[in-house]
Amino acid sequence: DTEVTQTPKHLVMGMTNKKSLKCEQHMGHRAMYWYKQKAKKPPELMFVYSYEKLSINESVPSRFSPECPNSSLLNLHLHALQPEDSALYLCASSQERPEGNEQYFGPGTRLTVT
Amino acid sequence: AQSVTQLDSQVPVFEEAPVELRCNYSSSVSVYLFWYVQYPNQGLQLLLKYLSGSTLVESINGFEAEFNKSQTSFHLRKPSVHISDTAEYFCAVLKKYGGYNKLIFGAGTRLAVHP
Repeated sequence: DTEVTQTPKHLVMGMTNKKSLKCEQHMGHRAMYWYKQKAKKPPELMFVYSYEKLSINESVPSRFSPECPNSSLLNLHLHALQPEDSALYLCASSQERPEGNEQYFGPGTRLTVT
Repeated sequence: AQSVTQLDSQVPVFEEAPVELRCNYSSSVSVYLFWYVQYPNQGLQLLLKYLSGSTLVESINGFEAEFNKSQTSFHLRKPSVHISDTAEYFCAVLKKYGGYNKLIFGAGTRLAVHP
């Protein structure tokens, strides 16, 4: 099973709202990722968690707050977003090895900020 | 510096014709290479990967890619495409930053298969 699930599929929120995106995998992967993808562009890395610890933050604004409650779950808390934050948010996971690992992606959450 | 270059932003092709999607990478990066496919309104699916071993790698749906170290390329090919292959294709490399690996994507190639 190489499935990564994400909820919700679609989210519309105002600039003063607080919402959360959720991601789950049961492949035993110890690395999990958040990406942001704008239309007709490749995904851009936001955060990397390794063994439930934040290892990479790609200078993401603080209105995005990641959380890794356990090895299977990854959340992205959203607060006071801007319309330009509207995008497809993708979660991914991989094994944690020094050599190359493929990442498996979820279907994404389509976020619209009004 | 750009690590991955996908030379064609769009590739139109007729059904049952062969296709090649080109990908070149910087020689300074690791040689862990991937092709991902993204169908409309979906996430990315791993199509195939090169980590080591045979330089020719194949997917279950007829795509193949060949790692060419001398030309720093990892082009994707299919001998006969279907309408259902219409999608965005991303080439990616794994690059080491300190103790961590990061996936670096090319800009993507939109494959449009016409009847």
